Amino acid sequence: GENVEQHPSTLSVQEGDSAVIKCTYSDSASNYFPWYKQELGKRPQLIIDIRSNVGEKKDQRIAVTLNKTAKHFSLHITETQPEDSAVYFCAVAEGNTDKLIFGTGTRLQVFP
Amino acid sequence: DSGVTQTPKHLITATGQRVTLRCSPRSGDLSVYWYQQSLDQGLQFLIHYYNGEERAKGNILERFSAQQFPDLHSELNLSSLELGDSALYFCASSATSGTHNEQFFGPGTRLTVL
Repeated sequence: GENVEQHPSTLSVQEGDSAVIKCTYSDSASNYFPWYKQELGKRPQLIIDIRSNVGEKKDQRIAVTLNKTAKHFSLHITETQPEDSAVYFCAVAEGNTDKLIFGTGTRLQVFP
Repeated sequence: DSGVTQTPKHLITATGQRVTLRCSPRSGDLSVYWYQQSLDQGLQFLIHYYNGEERAKGNILERFSAQQFPDLHSELNLSSLELGDSALYFCASSATSGTHNEQFFGPGTRLTVL
C-alpha cells in the first residue's frame, strides 16, 4: 500500500517568513494530493490540493508543488501570520481510490 | 461548519463494551469516510462507503464495523473495546466517489476507554 512521509514534524518561523513542508509517497499510480490544516481541537480542513496533471498550484499565500518523477510534493506558505499556526497534514489518495493516506503532520508555530 | 455532523461529541466507556458512533454527511453527498486519529498513529483511514456500498477498507480491526443507511447516514460500531481504541474518530463526506472530490470532515467523536 501507499506510504507517506512528512517532514519536518515541527516548524517555528517568525511572522512574515515563509514555511515549507515536504512529503514523499511510494505509489507512482497515486494522482491526488491534498493538504489539510487542523487547528487545536478542531476538524481537519482542506487548504489546497493538486492533481498529477499539474506541477504547481497557488491560492493566495499558499502554494503546492508536485514532482511526480521524484514522488514528492511540498506546501509553501508565504508571509506567514500567527493564525497560520496549526498542524498541517499532507495526504495521498491511494492509487485510483478515495482512500486518503495521511502524513504524520507538521506542527507550525508562527511567532509574532 | 462543514455541514457534516457527528454524534456524540464525547463518549466515555469501559473496556469490553460496545459503542456506536453516528455520522450525517453534507446534504447531497453520497460518500462517507471514517478516520481514526490517535496521538501515536496519526490520522488513519478506516473505511469508505458510497451510496450504501463499501468502497474501500483500511486497516480496520475486525472488532470494528460500519454501514451506510438508505438515508446516507453512517454508523461506526466498535466492540470489545480496548484502552488503545481511545482516539478521536472523524467522519468525512464527499459528493461522489472516484473523482477525488474534497472530503469535508465532521467535528469528530472523542472516545475514551477506561
